[in-house]
Amino acid sequence: NAGVTQTPKFQVLKTGQSMTLQCAQDMNHEYMSWYRQDPGMGLRLIHYSVGAGITDQGEVPNGYNVSRSTTEDFPLRLLSAAPSQTSVYFCASSYDKGRGGYTFGSGTRLTVV
Amino acid sequence: QQPVQSPQAVILREGEDAVINCSSSKALYSVHWYRQKHGEAPVFLMILLKGGEQKGHEKISASFNEKKQQSSLYLTASQLSYSGTYFCGTEGYNTDKLIFGTGTRLQVFP
Repeated sequence: NAGVTQTPKFQVLKTGQSMTLQCAQDMNHEYMSWYRQDPGMGLRLIHYSVGAGITDQGEVPNGYNVSRSTTEDFPLRLLSAAPSQTSVYFCASSYDKGRGGYTFGSGTRLTVV
Repeated sequence: QQPVQSPQAVILREGEDAVINCSSSKALYSVHWYRQKHGEAPVFLMILLKGGEQKGHEKISASFNEKKQQSSLYLTASQLSYSGTYFCGTEGYNTDKLIFGTGTRLQVFP
């Protein structure tokens, strides 16, 4: 039981490049979310999903896309990287609303130059 | 929509107590509490669902006042291992989003 697995752990991108951050969970959780964490800003919700085929926007969705084709996977795509997207990205999953807390992945530290 | 946490930072000696507050302007379905140590991912502590509910986890407990849309996290007889940043997260009745506050940094010294 690996929990929530994020890859890569570190990434450096040039402005304008695109990439996908991977997130996979093996706990059969329906709810999955992506957060970004910047110093002094706490955890801000980018996109979330309540099941395969269902996604919705969070607080800061601009510049990011998601899809949820399976229960296990929830990739986050950066369409055209900008320096403002330099951050630590966390993927998290939960069984259901109100039924326990979220389990977080170890994070991806992204730098855009 | 983002919950407000107070205080922003707390400094304690081992054995001292602390209270961290979380308040929202919206009606709350649940309140979550997480602890994050430097360079690590947040770790779930507890969830509170019902108005007036109190839960405990080791020497860390929390209350949820649904009418006031507030929750408080109580850390008693603090230990060095309690150091970290504490986040509350809130879910509304008509949303499936978990929104976090900006965090409270807790430092415990010997």
